[in-house]
Amino acid sequence: QSALTQPASVSGSPGQSITISCTGTSSDIGGYNYVSWYQQHPGKAPKLIIYDVNNRPSGVSNRFSGSKSGNTASLTISGLQAEDEADYYCGSYKTRVTGVFGGGTKLTVL
Amino acid sequence: QVQLVQSGAEVKKPGASVNVSCKASGYSFTSYNMHWVRQAPGQGLEWMGIINPSPGSTTYGQKFQGRVTMTRDTSTSTFYMELSSLRSEDTAVYYCARVGDCSGGSCYSNFDYWGQGTLVTVSS
Repeated sequence: QSALTQPASVSGSPGQSITISCTGTSSDIGGYNYVSWYQQHPGKAPKLIIYDVNNRPSGVSNRFSGSKSGNTASLTISGLQAEDEADYYCGSYKTRVTGVFGGGTKLTVL
Repeated sequence: QVQLVQSGAEVKKPGASVNVSCKASGYSFTSYNMHWVRQAPGQGLEWMGIINPSPGSTTYGQKFQGRVTMTRDTSTSTFYMELSSLRSEDTAVYYCARVGDCSGGSCYSNFDYWGQGTLVTVSS
């Protein structure tokens, strides 16, 4: 059982926006602004798309955005494209010097 | 450019140990922490631990303490992860993942470069 809770799947049509939630506790998401998001295509390594809650690494599309409220972080993808179909994982720092991840969300572009 | 190249797939019997390597290039080896993360088939990501290449200090996830050892060789810019007493539940793809410029808790979250992954299969 993962430390952070994500929905198993979400879907949307091209051009639409979707949001993926990631729920933790006050010991991880709620206590620190160290939330990251990763995109993983089948058979590939994860790719960092959001760090420190709402920052995008260089080269990542501005269609990806992150936010946080209390113990829940969110990833929003706007203007959905076919290539966005992938698995998405949230990650966070957790008290007592550890890292934790969510169970992953499969995004289907209809 | 930053590259993390991992060793090849392994098949091990229960009770054995496995050693996975991760050769880093394209950046200052001793300046960035390295983590190990694994992913069981069809499952999510699981954090295993972190190594600071200078001075080689480590912190392991509670689940893996006593079974995992993370080391580095500064002469070859290579990180190693050894997992012992293998069981079938350890079958997974193992990744090394670098953390970029960071401080405090961000050093446990923002993995900017990943190796290609190493499949470890534990089967009798």
